[in-house]
Amino acid sequence: KQEVTQIPAALSVPEGENLVLNCSFTDSAIYNLQWFRQDPGKGLTSLLLIQSSQREQTSGRLNASLDKSSGRSTLYIAASQPGDSATYLCAAPSTDSWGKLQFGAGTQVVVTP
Amino acid sequence: GAVVSQHPSRVICKSGTSVKIECRSLDFQATTMFWYRQFPKQSLMLMATSNEGSKATYEQGVEKDKFLINHASLTLSTLTVTSAHPEDSSFYICSVRGSTGELFFGEGSRLTVL
Repeated sequence: KQEVTQIPAALSVPEGENLVLNCSFTDSAIYNLQWFRQDPGKGLTSLLLIQSSQREQTSGRLNASLDKSSGRSTLYIAASQPGDSATYLCAAPSTDSWGKLQFGAGTQVVVTP
Repeated sequence: GAVVSQHPSRVICKSGTSVKIECRSLDFQATTMFWYRQFPKQSLMLMATSNEGSKATYEQGVEKDKFLINHASLTLSTLTVTSAHPEDSSFYICSVRGSTGELFFGEGSRLTVL
């Protein structure tokens, strides 16, 4: 059964610093991995989708890497801004049930001005 | 990507009543939609997979008679919480998988049962 872990659970940084969010998964037989952002009381916004054939994916200040062999993905956010404050979740496909995603508990990020 | 809309965003009801939540895929024909539930400070848990024109597939431990799912068209799935009780109070979110495999979520519906 796929298990997804995110470390740290919470992170507070001053504005301008780079953010590094970690996600690990137990079963490396995945076809993709997705990162999301969730603001309080809101739904999830898709940030990046990395296919299993890719090693990284970039969108603006966001860069996500994927290392299937070690069961890890990292989300980098460059030059953080107060507007980046949110909870970030990663999700990997469940390997025992097609189409089902297994979510990590998330990393709550606070960027202070 | 797909645009997903949920309604209502917030609902408060009395214990014992039923509540319907709608999930619409606005620009994508979705044969499958997913319903998640999220408790405060916790991650998302998949409740069921909604299949257009057929029965939903429920995850283990989810009561299908309690959480009725109907997926009557390629753009609409509904979740009805029947005879709601305070322990059903939660944040319910639906999602659609796009053509590339990317998952897109609605804005979520906050249910409070008094």
